[in-house]
Amino acid sequence: AQTVTQSQPEMSVQEAETVTLSCTYDTSESNYYLFWYKQPPSRQMILVIRQEAYKQQNATENRFSVNFQKAAKSFSLKISDSQLGDTAMYFCAFMNGGSQGNLIFGKGTKLSVKP
Amino acid sequence: NAGVTQTPKFQVLKTGQSMTLQCAQDMNHEYMSWYRQDPGMGLRLIHYSVGAGITDQGEVPNGYNVSRSTTEDFPLRLLSAAPSQTSVYFCASSYSGQSIRGYTFGSGTRLTVV
Repeated sequence: AQTVTQSQPEMSVQEAETVTLSCTYDTSESNYYLFWYKQPPSRQMILVIRQEAYKQQNATENRFSVNFQKAAKSFSLKISDSQLGDTAMYFCAFMNGGSQGNLIFGKGTKLSVKP
Repeated sequence: NAGVTQTPKFQVLKTGQSMTLQCAQDMNHEYMSWYRQDPGMGLRLIHYSVGAGITDQGEVPNGYNVSRSTTEDFPLRLLSAAPSQTSVYFCASSYSGQSIRGYTFGSGTRLTVV
């Protein structure tokens, strides 16, 4: 069974600085997708960024980028120029692409951006 | 507005009561699922459906029932509520089960069982 591990329960960063959230996963599949979701205090789950395993190029979305290391099964999220609105829970998630797949979530990292 | 609608947003139940959490989507998504979120546990899959008339169990299905009579609706039934079912429940949908588009989530239902 696939598992997703986020080893940092909580992190903090100063406004305008850069922070990296870690995520590792375990799978024997070669075709899969990886996601980072943001959950602000409003509770809404918001898709931040996504990566297809067969693509070597790291995904980027404005201030958000990932470092995808397939051999190491690592999928970290880098937030540049952190803003107060980035304060939220961040969840890493895995989806098996080869068969009926469901989203499998890590336990989350609580990020606080300080002024 | 297109999206996933969950009702109610908040609910308090007494132990042993039953209730149905509603989920509806208007995006013609084939795939729908229910998750529960508990502190320090992330989101765990309860049940999912790949289309009308087809449902299957996820990681934590005990105490919950689902049905999918239409593409739009995927209600979650608590048969006899227990304090262990106190949680935040999310419904999510997608064009297909495995998709790079990811899931669209509802805004959640906070359920307290006393």
